Amino acid sequence: DAGITQSPRHKVTETGTPVTLRCHQTENHRYMYWYRQDPGHGLRLIHYSYGVKDTDKGEVSDGYSVSRSKTEDFLLTLESATSSQTSVYFCAISDLAASTDTQYFGPGTRLTVL
Amino acid sequence: KQEVTQIPAALSVPEGENLVLNCSFTDSAIYNLQWFRQDPGKGLTSLLLIQSSQREQTSGRLNASLDKSSGRSTLYIAASQPGDSATYLCAPLSSGSARQLTFGSGTQLTVLP
Repeated sequence: DAGITQSPRHKVTETGTPVTLRCHQTENHRYMYWYRQDPGHGLRLIHYSYGVKDTDKGEVSDGYSVSRSKTEDFLLTLESATSSQTSVYFCAISDLAASTDTQYFGPGTRLTVL
Repeated sequence: KQEVTQIPAALSVPEGENLVLNCSFTDSAIYNLQWFRQDPGKGLTSLLLIQSSQREQTSGRLNASLDKSSGRSTLYIAASQPGDSATYLCAPLSSGSARQLTFGSGTQLTVLP
């Protein structure tokens, strides 16, 4: 398995509080991604990074920010959590081989916003 | 915008049957297509990756095909086992700098012993 860890694995928080989720990789892959998974919507891309300090928005980026100060760490921040952000969050990594580019996923973080 | 549809949404079969899961996508400008497996409460495990120039890819009892021009892929599982029970997701990787995977909603497979 690809070396990807996510922390915390579970979190319960209250509306309006800030939350930061961490993704850590040991594979030295350039690309890192944050997805959320919700019933009826499947997995949707929130933000991705293509290098240190290089990030871009995905399909559902509103209410989320990201930072990548080191190759191995990609942080997802909810500045002021809302109940609509209750979800399972997955981090993924990939290398740069384009046609053979495989994304590897972390174990996920289950976030509940009360 | 890429859209991915997987049919059927759920499937229940007796052990030993061969089965086919279907995936269709709207934008044929893709680098590749991945099939993933997801067990309840777990992350995604990559099963097969088919490059845009390939027609088929095989791994053990799994065979995936790709018809990029028609926007279709199928995952064939031979001699199904109870351990194959999981949700199967397909995801084409879009061409361009974003390199985004777009996921279908998945097929939930139950193999009955």
